[in-house]
Amino acid sequence: GAGVSQSPRYKVAKRGQDVALRCDPISGHVSLFWYQQALGQGPEFLTYFQNEAQLDKSGLPSDRFFAERPEGSVSTLKIQRTQQEDSAVYLCASSLDPVPLETQYFGPGTRLLVL
Amino acid sequence: AQTVTQSQPEMSVQEAETVTLSCTYDTSENNYYLFWYKQPPSRQMILVIRQEAYKQQNATENRFSVNFQKAAKSFSLKISDSQLGDTAMYFCAFKAAGNKLTFGGGTRVLVKP
Repeated sequence: GAGVSQSPRYKVAKRGQDVALRCDPISGHVSLFWYQQALGQGPEFLTYFQNEAQLDKSGLPSDRFFAERPEGSVSTLKIQRTQQEDSAVYLCASSLDPVPLETQYFGPGTRLLVL
Repeated sequence: AQTVTQSQPEMSVQEAETVTLSCTYDTSENNYYLFWYKQPPSRQMILVIRQEAYKQQNATENRFSVNFQKAAKSFSLKISDSQLGDTAMYFCAFKAAGNKLTFGGGTRVLVKP
């Protein structure tokens, strides 16, 4: 079956613009995660959903970042009033069950460049 | 808070040789899970191998094996018989009850023909 997909793959935004990044998880996967990966670094956790419930948003760097998963499948990460420090690759991952050993499957990421 | 440290920014290895990547972590948790992920230049992260902290036996997956030293909080990855397709960034990651992964900074592995 299809893996995790993300769109757009690349996004260039002017500073101050709002952006929306989409994640389509693997069908039936309960858990969905967003990570931010700065250039040359490891991914950092942003937020976690179990179905439509956002159980952990401790990694969101500011109130300009907002994520939702209203029907428990597709998720959108929204960044308002983008800043240059928001430039990064945003990775989405999903897993079948909400247990720690469960494998997280990653999407290809959205590369965001804020000018 | 958990931290994961990968002290080798880059490693190179000849094709068919063996390379070992180091990873150390810091946690106060007793039950946790450790992972190695591979990120090829296409950037899609792929799970290589995983280890449950309560298991003493080191995990192996074909040419990939780990050396898990719980007391030392060390979790190294050995790639045997390296292949050109192994060229990638490798990330060590930690997960406890909260399900989120905490990643190290990564090690770039270059396999030379």
